[in-house]
Amino acid sequence: DADVTQTPRNRITKTGKRIMLECSQTKGHDRMYWYRQDPGLGLRLIYYSFDVKDINKGEISDGYSVSRQAQAKFSLSLESAIPNQTALYFCATSDPLDRGGSYNEQFFGPGTRLTVL
Amino acid sequence: KNQVEQSPQSLIILEGKNCTLQCNYTVSPFSNLRWYKQDTGRGPVSLTIMTFSENTKSNGRYTATLDADTKQSSLHITASQLSDSASYICVVSLASGTYKYIFGTGTRLKVLA
Repeated sequence: DADVTQTPRNRITKTGKRIMLECSQTKGHDRMYWYRQDPGLGLRLIYYSFDVKDINKGEISDGYSVSRQAQAKFSLSLESAIPNQTALYFCATSDPLDRGGSYNEQFFGPGTRLTVL
Repeated sequence: KNQVEQSPQSLIILEGKNCTLQCNYTVSPFSNLRWYKQDTGRGPVSLTIMTFSENTKSNGRYTATLDADTKQSSLHITASQLSDSASYICVVSLASGTYKYIFGTGTRLKVLA
């Protein structure tokens, strides 16, 4: 979805390096999310934010941190990357109100493929 | 425990054939159920959404059904095309709580010519 963009799209890094993944959205949604996807495991929630001053841990937040710089921007950081953080990372947004029958639909970015060597 | 299970894990069919994917859930309180299509290397995109009172919803060749009594949903794909090759993810939303989405692990569909 072009309304949710992620940078970089691909990244290869080494164990111990700090890395930041960025997400921007033009949908005007207050709610933003970070997920990782591993083969056979589906999407797992890392962190979510309901507005600029609200940050919440998801089910697998260890080893990650986030920053909500503005309504439109939500960044995910790996302070010291390790190989088992190799995965596909997705950012998503949602509108808490049921505007136009959206029923809290989540809109996903194109993903960032991260490889930690 | 809130859970969404999908079957089969993977499926291979020939172009032009029909197929049905299954989703069983134990989620309470239930708000709605959505099917997403995820092409390889891309983010999921919503196909259909059903609330408690709806038992069928169509989007082109995709038809989703919901049985709220048995807590089961299915996604039927008619006259499959090569472009239907993707993963299909069932997501159930909770009616309360701060974080509302319970994801299934998906069914990977491959359509062969």
